[in-house]
Amino acid sequence: KNEVEQSPQNLTAQEGEFITINCSYSVGISALHWLQQHPGGGIVSLFMLSSGKKKHGRLIATINIQEKHSSLHITASHPRDSAVYICAVRWTGGGADGLTFGKGTHLIIQP
Amino acid sequence: DADVTQTPRNRITKTGKRIMLECSQTKGHDRMYWYRQDPGLGLRLIYYSFDVKDINKGEISDGYSVSRQAQAKFSLSLESAIPNQTALYFCATSGTGHYGYTFGSGTRLTVV
Repeated sequence: KNEVEQSPQNLTAQEGEFITINCSYSVGISALHWLQQHPGGGIVSLFMLSSGKKKHGRLIATINIQEKHSSLHITASHPRDSAVYICAVRWTGGGADGLTFGKGTHLIIQP
Repeated sequence: DADVTQTPRNRITKTGKRIMLECSQTKGHDRMYWYRQDPGLGLRLIYYSFDVKDINKGEISDGYSVSRQAQAKFSLSLESAIPNQTALYFCATSGTGHYGYTFGSGTRLTVV
């Protein structure tokens, strides 16, 4: 079964720290998404990547297609960044459409 | 107004009852999806639709049915709700030819 693995599952850090969340996947993909889910449940799309690197404000997402690995970085972290961050992929090669999701990384930024 | 709207936001229902969750979108996207989220399991695909005449089962379709009433509307039904269908349900949309997704705010369903 094609899988998406995230690490760490839980991360607590102090305000201002540099945060890295990792995502690895098992086979070829056409796109990788980073999503943010705040308490209360809503899901917001942060990035969609198929290669390289993207930056939006303090958030940076990178992907290495050969190594089947992506990272989400948060610079100068703030308590409002506290949320669950979810990696999701769209597989190549057919099969059911839609995304396959990692289990999420629960991030807490303490003041 | 939100691009993808789910109703209701919260629902408590009894075992054996039929319940419908509704999703509407203003994105103009062709593709619509229903996912469920359970603690520790991540989101899983229930059903998806590429257009009004194209409905497909996902990973966990047993116990669920869907209806695509129009391009903008996609409903999920639980014919006879059971407690292990207690979960957070998300509707999502995507446009043909690109891979960006938009999610609704979710419906928290409790079956007692």
